[in-house]
Amino acid sequence: QVQLVESGGGVVQPGRSLRLSCAASGFTFSNYGLHWVRQAPGKGLEWVAVIPYDGSDEYYADSVKGRFTVSRDNSKNTLYLQMNSLTYDDTAVYYCAKDVTNFWSGFGYWGLGTLVTVSS
Amino acid sequence: QSALTQPASVSGSPGQSITISCTGTSSDVGIYNLVSWYQQHPGKAPKLMLFEVSQRPSGVSNRFSGSKSGNTASLTISGLQAEDEAYYYCCSYAGSGNLFGGGTKLTVL
Repeated sequence: QVQLVESGGGVVQPGRSLRLSCAASGFTFSNYGLHWVRQAPGKGLEWVAVIPYDGSDEYYADSVKGRFTVSRDNSKNTLYLQMNSLTYDDTAVYYCAKDVTNFWSGFGYWGLGTLVTVSS
Repeated sequence: QSALTQPASVSGSPGQSITISCTGTSSDVGIYNLVSWYQQHPGKAPKLMLFEVSQRPSGVSNRFSGSKSGNTASLTISGLQAEDEAYYYCCSYAGSGNLFGGGTKLTVL
């Protein structure tokens, strides 16, 4: 079955960096686009970034553009999110999610998330 | 880009039907048939309920249906059950990115 397992979350000071990982199994990783979606405590969902199946491009929400970088290693079935210049507003649970079919059709499977807390 | 607009809460009794609206603009919901809906129980990861406006993933009950008219998409749940009580989020492609709605809390009375 499809499994997505995020890791790398933790407490980080404002202005510092953090890299999240998402290990995937149960499907042909190199065939699907992958997204990061976050949820601040007690708030709604916010789409963060997406990378297509071959890593040929990247798209970002305006709120993270220029600070976050999404990447993938198809040989390791792993998705990454490099987060730089973190601010308090970046505090959230970060989920990785797999395309349901086409690139922008929706998020078919989700991981359990990893919590990032930006605090001084 | 602003978030899509959903009602903060809706409620219904077991067996009834409810509809949750999701209003966007002519730059997102109105122009793309790429609206999806997610159910989230407290402390859990979201679950895909509908994609491409009205397509149900395997395993999702046919009590869940979707539609779109103009800039507004809708999720209808028929035959409400206690386990349907959750938050529901819509999401639409908006040209090089996705937008979520603010979420709707469904209470089953």
